[in-house]
Amino acid sequence: GAGVSQSPSNKVTEKGKDVELRCDPISGHTALYWYRQSLGQGLEFLIYFQGNSAPDKSGLPSDRFSAERTGGSVSTLTIQRTQQEDSAVYLCASSLVPGMYEQYFGPGTRLTVT
Amino acid sequence: SQELEQSPQSLIVQEGKNLTINCTSSKTLYGLYWYKQKYGEGLIFLMMLQKGGEEKSHEKITAKLDEKKQQSSLHITASQPSHAGTYLCGADDIQGAQKLVFGQGTRLTINP
Repeated sequence: GAGVSQSPSNKVTEKGKDVELRCDPISGHTALYWYRQSLGQGLEFLIYFQGNSAPDKSGLPSDRFSAERTGGSVSTLTIQRTQQEDSAVYLCASSLVPGMYEQYFGPGTRLTVT
Repeated sequence: SQELEQSPQSLIVQEGKNLTINCTSSKTLYGLYWYKQKYGEGLIFLMMLQKGGEEKSHEKITAKLDEKKQQSSLHITASQPSHAGTYLCGADDIQGAQKLVFGQGTRLTINP
């Protein structure tokens, strides 16, 4: 596609449930990033993929968060046993070459944990 | 790690007026990116600056990176309603890093 796409656009889940968020990067982009945007914290980095490997997972807030990328393309971010503080907009971005080119962002997934 | 401070946090200007948003770091900026975000949407890439003293323009928006590479400014000339939104600056965490840290954003409102 022309840009980064994410699904679902909105997700409401009950506390304790698991959720999966999906990101389709721009075709040909080797690097993929996950960020989280919340009112109190601004925009914060979660994890970065180069191809299918994740050299930097430093931003994942807890072991309830995990992510994978397959085929150097689609990525899923999984949150297990969701908590209310997980409520945020989760943004995915991709770039042609990591650290050298701008990152293009998707529209985000708004997650609400009730 | 890198920390970015944006000023002002919010800005209300009358349509047609010029405005400037600043992004300041206590450390050298190895890559500085400006993004725009409308409520409920993703970030739209505006410009990337890498060299000290670099200046780039696109339509009525100009971004500069100072010689010391610690401050960037975003200037909008003759503002229009379409310029309204939140502007975020982002920078490489460290040289050669692959993740961005962002400022808190500047919310711009354009009054007709």
